[in-house]
Amino acid sequence: AQKVTQAQTEISVVEKEDVTLDCVYETRDTTYYLFWYKQPPSGELVFLIRRNSFDEQNEISGRYSWNFQKSTSSFNFTITASQVVDSAVYFCALSEPLRDDKIIFGKGTRLHILP
Amino acid sequence: EPEVTQTPSHQVTQMGQEVILRCVPISNHLYFYWYRQILGQKVEFLVSFYNNEISEKSEIFDDQFSVERPDGSNFTLKIRSTKLEDSAMYFCASSAGTDSYEQYFGPGTRLTVT
Repeated sequence: AQKVTQAQTEISVVEKEDVTLDCVYETRDTTYYLFWYKQPPSGELVFLIRRNSFDEQNEISGRYSWNFQKSTSSFNFTITASQVVDSAVYFCALSEPLRDDKIIFGKGTRLHILP
Repeated sequence: EPEVTQTPSHQVTQMGQEVILRCVPISNHLYFYWYRQILGQKVEFLVSFYNNEISEKSEIFDDQFSVERPDGSNFTLKIRSTKLEDSAMYFCASSAGTDSYEQYFGPGTRLTVT
């Protein structure tokens, strides 16, 4: 069955430190999408990235980077030189477009960046 | 940039009352979704809607829930007789298609049932 596991419930780091949020997924499909969303205290879901299963290249966007490894079914998210504004809940998610179009979310990791 | 909007941002209702949550999807989108997030928990899929029909629903989406596209712009979620456990953030999303198309999420409606 499809599943997304974010083992880290809560992480606290001091500003300017690097932090990695882990995500492990399960799917029987060979075609799937992986996502990361940010949910700040205001509550909205902010889309960060979508990656399809055929593209294992790592991606960097400013201070954000993502490491997709099919061999370990992981899609980890690293924030470099963290800032207080990065404090939020981060959700990893999965969709299986050949099965249906719902997005399956992990339980989220609450990230606290301490000044 | 076009965006999904939701009203109201916060709704307080008494147990047993009917509530309607409203969403305006992005104008050229054809696929619509509702998700729910109980406070402190993960976001869960409720229902998807296409061509004026429900295309898929989760086990959460029982007979108390219904969705409708009453006109060309709104997409609504109705909860017939609210329960305390319906208190949650409800997110609407829309997409231009399935498969490779991205779902765009609205800002959410926080529903509090007292």
